[in-house]
Amino acid sequence: QVQLEESGPGLVKPSQTLSLTCTVSGDSISSGNSYWSWIRQPAGKGLEWIGRIYTTGSTNYNPSLKSRVTISVDTSKNQFSLKLSSVTAADTAVYYCARQKIQLWLSNDSWGQGILVTVSS
Amino acid sequence: QSVLTQPPSVSGAPGQRVTLSCTGSSSNIGAGFDVHWYQHLPGTAPKLLIYGNTNRPSGVPDRFSGSKSGTSASLAITGLQAEDEADYYCQSYDSSLSGSVFGGGTKVTVL
Repeated sequence: QVQLEESGPGLVKPSQTLSLTCTVSGDSISSGNSYWSWIRQPAGKGLEWIGRIYTTGSTNYNPSLKSRVTISVDTSKNQFSLKLSSVTAADTAVYYCARQKIQLWLSNDSWGQGILVTVSS
Repeated sequence: QSVLTQPPSVSGAPGQRVTLSCTGSSSNIGAGFDVHWYQHLPGTAPKLLIYGNTNRPSGVPDRFSGSKSGTSASLAITGLQAEDEADYYCQSYDSSLSGSVFGGGTKVTVL
């Protein structure tokens, strides 16, 4: 059974770069059967898609965040990462990593538990 | 403002049937892109309920069913139970944004 786990700092200062890593177990990013996504949820609000990456390194980003987002993959460690630059308080949210399974019509069938990232000085 | 529109809340008594709507446009649901539904309990990871408009992953009770027509999709919950009280999100793909989009979510309350 696939498991995803987010890791990274829970507190980031305004204007700095938020960096998170998602470690995948029970599935291989290199298998090519899925895309690997980042999704966030600000407190009291809905889910927001940030972007995704494929094993080849090909990425898609939310246009509203595209200028600040970088998603990368390390297949040797079976991990993928998120960097969000120039953060503000509006970027405070629970950040989830998720698998987007091609076989399941590109639905996000497995999610990490989420990590709360607070942007504050 | 979410690209996909969901009612903020829906309620029903135990045993009743409730229907959650998800309204999109010609660049997402209306363009033929698939709709997925998720159940989200506070403090937990969202759970996939319906994928590809109508399909249930193994382990999801058949009380949950999905449908799609035109620019809208729906999630029906029959035989409502207390454990169904949660937030529900629809998701699709938008060609003008070249990415996934979520609805704003619907909170289901069991009276």
